[in-house]
Amino acid sequence: DSGVTQTPKHLITATGQRVTLRCSPRSGDLSVYWYQQSLDQGLQFLIHYYNGEERAKGNILERFSAQQFPDLHSELNLSSLELGDSALYFCASSVGGGMYQETQYFGPGTRLLVL
Amino acid sequence: GIQVEQSPPDLILQEGANSTLRCNFSDSVNNLQWFHQNPWGQLINLFYIPSGTKQNGRLSATTVATERYSLLYISSSQTTDSGVYFCAVFKAAGNKLTFGGGTRVLVKP
Repeated sequence: DSGVTQTPKHLITATGQRVTLRCSPRSGDLSVYWYQQSLDQGLQFLIHYYNGEERAKGNILERFSAQQFPDLHSELNLSSLELGDSALYFCASSVGGGMYQETQYFGPGTRLLVL
Repeated sequence: GIQVEQSPPDLILQEGANSTLRCNFSDSVNNLQWFHQNPWGQLINLFYIPSGTKQNGRLSATTVATERYSLLYISSSQTTDSGVYFCAVFKAAGNKLTFGGGTRVLVKP
């Protein structure tokens, strides 16, 4: 158990809908990262937050948004969902804000299926 | 953008065998990491290795940044080593992180 929790584990929804994925980092970690893993695109980095502020943005679509709250949990909002958004969404956390200079701990992922 | 290629795409090993996985990248990078995704989908960060060599138990990694490649060595493989191994490179200019396509490893008992 990495100490990172993600809810829900599974999500089935329809095209055009909006969903929210939640991530709670390990106790004491200030950084949260979001990733998408799909059969078509492989693993992609979406976005990085450190202590409530956006630090880096990757291949995140405009239909997607994220935020990190004062208690450090993070939410990834996906809207106007398309079939191609079906994927496994991971979050990870790390202690500091030095992107990719320290160990990240991954949650179990949320599997999203868009029908 | 930067290209990251991993080879081989698939690897089948007998338990106890040694193997080498390769990650080539097309541009200079600030950081490189190796990850393992087990058959149940859990991702684990193995190494942060922008250059040089590191060892962690039966796993070790070497990155030759000047020649734009990294190697992951698995020695005395065990069935628990099965899964997919990803490398990812980070370029500070643009805060760009790019993953390779992975090497799928199956270790047979």
